[in-house]
Amino acid sequence: AQKITQTQPGMFVQEKEAVTLDCTYDTSDPSYGLFWYKQPSSGEMIFLIYQGSYDQQNATEGRYSLNFQKARKSANLVISASQLGDSAMYFCAMREGGSNYQLIWGAGTKLIIKP
Amino acid sequence: GAGVSQSPRYKVAKRGQDVALRCDPISGHVSLFWYQQALGQGPEFLTYFQNEAQLDKSGLPSDRFFAERPEGSVSTLKIQRTQQEDSAVYLCASSLAVRTVLTYNEQFFGPGTRLTVL
Repeated sequence: AQKITQTQPGMFVQEKEAVTLDCTYDTSDPSYGLFWYKQPSSGEMIFLIYQGSYDQQNATEGRYSLNFQKARKSANLVISASQLGDSAMYFCAMREGGSNYQLIWGAGTKLIIKP
Repeated sequence: GAGVSQSPRYKVAKRGQDVALRCDPISGHVSLFWYQQALGQGPEFLTYFQNEAQLDKSGLPSDRFFAERPEGSVSTLKIQRTQQEDSAVYLCASSLAVRTVLTYNEQFFGPGTRLTVL
């Protein structure tokens, strides 16, 4: 079974609009962390935002926020006021407490911002 | 440099050749991870080091894959007798420490090595 599911292979969004990228996860470990990374065409993975399983509030980092719904096992990334430079692959990843802390990744969503 | 570096950035190998991929983590980072990213997919975990100790190699796809980090800093991923299915981007990541999953403990990634096996 997939531990991280990203159901949107690709999305087109108009510049300056907000966009939500979906991520659902599956774990029986009560301790886990959820990450979002951006991968531009140049290839490097850029960390965006982190949410711990015991965090009471949704994480925010500038234009990025994470809509964390623990009961639904959902950790959607919200990008406000999208910019052309936001065009990239976006990956949701999870780290479980019982592991050696490697990241488990989703298949990614390709986001294209239209001018 | 302040970030994780990897070399070479691109490698083309003929099937059956051996290759060695190098990762220079951020200075002082205890943990080092290797991931394999096939085209159009998310990365898959290969192996994990804490200092010089290889604590997890469960993701290595076959015994043709070997990784080492002898002095707890630079790491090398070696692939023997390369096959076409080994074609992928190999990502290296480092993090400062591993204590609890509940801490931020961000992994910093290098630019990757794109391996093409002909």
